[in-house]
Amino acid sequence: DAKTTQPTSMDCAEGRAANLPCNHSTISGNEYVYWYRQIHSQGPQYIIHGLKNNETNEMASLIITEDRKSSTLILPHATLRDTAVYYCIVRVATTGANNLFFGTGTRLTVIP
Amino acid sequence: GAGVSQTPSNKVTEKGKYVELRCDPISGHTALYWYRQSLGQGPEFLIYFQGTGAADDSGLPNDRFFAVRPEGSVSTLKIQRTERGDSAVYLCASSLTRDTEAFFGQGTRLTVV
Repeated sequence: DAKTTQPTSMDCAEGRAANLPCNHSTISGNEYVYWYRQIHSQGPQYIIHGLKNNETNEMASLIITEDRKSSTLILPHATLRDTAVYYCIVRVATTGANNLFFGTGTRLTVIP
Repeated sequence: GAGVSQTPSNKVTEKGKYVELRCDPISGHTALYWYRQSLGQGPEFLIYFQGTGAADDSGLPNDRFFAVRPEGSVSTLKIQRTERGDSAVYLCASSLTRDTEAFFGQGTRLTVV
C-alpha cells in the first residue's frame, strides 16, 4: 500500500471547518483513501473512504484531487469532541484485508 | 453488546510471564484483526483472521506472540515470556467481511514490569 504524509498537528476554532490534508503521491489506481480518527483512550473510528470521487457522509467530506495524489478531510463544523488524531490511510480495498497502515496521523485540537 | 469488547482493559504482568488478551468481536463479523499501539504511535497490524483461520500473521513480531480464534468468533492473543518492550495498547477490530469497515474495541493496556 502507498504511504501517506500528514501534518503532525493542527488547531481549529470550534464551529469552524477543519480541513485536514493528506499527501499520497505514490497512490495506485486501485487504491482507496481511508480516514480514521482516534479519540484519546479509545480505539480508532472509521470516518470515510473514497476512490476518486468526492464523498460525503454524516461525519465528514472527503475531497480527492483529480490526479489523486492528495486529499482533504473536511469536518464542516468542528466541535470539541472532534479533538483527536486523524489518520489518512491508502489501501487496496477489494483484494486486501483491513491490515491498515496507520502512520502517526494529524493531531487535531479544536479550540473553544 | 453492540461493539467490539476487549478484556481485560488493563493488565500488569511481570517480565517473563505469560498473558492472554481476549477479544469479543461484533456478532456475525467474519473478519477479526489484532493491532498493537505504542505510546505516540499509530496502531500497527499484527494478525488477521478470516473465520477460524489466520489469513495474515505477517505483523506478529516474533514467535512469542500467537493468536487463536477456534470457533470463528472470540479471539485470544497470547504472549509468552513477556518483555518490557511488549508494553503497549493491544487493539482488536472486526468487520463483517474483509473489505468492509473495521470497528475497533477500546483496547487492552498491557504493562510489563
